[in-house]
Amino acid sequence: QSALTQPASVSGSPGQSITISCTGTSDDVGGYDYVSWYQQHPGKAPKLIIYDVSNRPSGVSNRFSGSKSGNTATLTLSGLQADDEADYYCNSYISSSALVLFGGGTRLTVL
Amino acid sequence: EVQLVESGGGFVQPGGSLRLSCEASGFTFSDYEMNWVRQAPGKGLEWVSYMSSRGDTIYYADSVKGRFAISRNNAKNSLYLQMNSLRAEDTAVYYCARVPPVTIVPYYMDVWGKGTTVTVSS
Repeated sequence: QSALTQPASVSGSPGQSITISCTGTSDDVGGYDYVSWYQQHPGKAPKLIIYDVSNRPSGVSNRFSGSKSGNTATLTLSGLQADDEADYYCNSYISSSALVLFGGGTRLTVL
Repeated sequence: EVQLVESGGGFVQPGGSLRLSCEASGFTFSDYEMNWVRQAPGKGLEWVSYMSSRGDTIYYADSVKGRFAISRNNAKNSLYLQMNSLRAEDTAVYYCARVPPVTIVPYYMDVWGKGTTVTVSS
């Protein structure tokens, strides 16, 4: 199974908003509302920030939001802060024996 | 505190074997489905394997099918990954990760360990 497609990098200035896309197929992202997003700081474990396309776990800032259209899911981060600088990964359920598919990851740089 | 602690990583030659362990604490381990996820150096996350709470449903990524075996001992609050016929491309940090309860499809993970490093090299 090929990884979901994410841009390698995005950047923004403090206070701005950015979006990160996650493109799959009708067998994964497009077929189900089962997309999640993770934030990973260097040397740290991933942290869940969005699940089921647009739901935030308790304790996650409301600056993070998620959406989906067709085969593409999108993570939006508003009011950029220095600590948002990290790698971001999407993942999706996939209708095959594999069960789970991750995106290739996006490096967010806060300028 | 909810916690997952992986162990068992190390250096192994190609063709060798390793057994990873993940010890859970702070929650009722036997109620939760679990995954193994890995991350090669400088690369992205790759899902490896899933096991249901009772151990009766298992999935593997194609890249490890036939070589890796997931298992669990709920009495010991532990998840395992037996890795055989290791290859250089299996070099990675291996994370165990918990699937939240009441999920319809166990594709996402709410608690992650800090990972254990596996290096396969001659």
